[in-house]
Amino acid sequence: AQSVTQLGSHVSVSEGALVLLRCNYSSSVPPYLFWYVQYPNQGLQLLLKYTSAATLVKGINGFEAEFKKSETSFHLTKPSAHMSDAAEYFCADTPIGNTPLVFGKGTRLSVIA
Amino acid sequence: DVKVTQSSRYLVKRTGEKVFLECVQDMDHENMFWYRQDPGLGLRLIYFSYDVKMKEKGDIPEGYSVSREKKERFSLILESASTNQTSMYLCASSGPLGFAGDEQYFGPGTRLTVT
Repeated sequence: AQSVTQLGSHVSVSEGALVLLRCNYSSSVPPYLFWYVQYPNQGLQLLLKYTSAATLVKGINGFEAEFKKSETSFHLTKPSAHMSDAAEYFCADTPIGNTPLVFGKGTRLSVIA
Repeated sequence: DVKVTQSSRYLVKRTGEKVFLECVQDMDHENMFWYRQDPGLGLRLIYFSYDVKMKEKGDIPEGYSVSREKKERFSLILESASTNQTSMYLCASSGPLGFAGDEQYFGPGTRLTVT
């Protein structure tokens, strides 16, 4: 069965430090991959999505993710963490023509002043 | 701007009550989804619908039913609420089935407590 694995349920970084949130997918066909963010007591909103146009995808709020087929990974990065980045982040996958999305279990990001 | 709204942000119900959670989207989306979110378990799909009056079971449909009488509205029904259904419920919608790269748009969630 298709699955998405997010390594680390909780990641803590200092303000200004690099953010790296890891995601591995299992699709055997070219995937469409997504990162969503959820702020406290809110729904999920799209950060960025990969649809095979380019392997490095830029999203909102300075985040980007790189698709690496050889590693079946789609890790999310941000060069410099801000306090407002504290939230839960979800990686999601769907093969072509399939719905709904398969979500990872999420990674909670804490940013320390 | 896509909007998905849910009827309540917070709801408290008693065990055995019938509970209705309503979701409305304004983007003429074909697909609608209901998830529950629990700490450490992520999002789990309850039911989804790809057309009016159509429904498909997700990963955890037991104890739930759904209704989609109009394209913009998707209701989740707890026939007899139990304490283990205390959770955050998220509704989402997306465009045509099979359209590659279609993201889902989420509502703000309903935090349901069953006592």
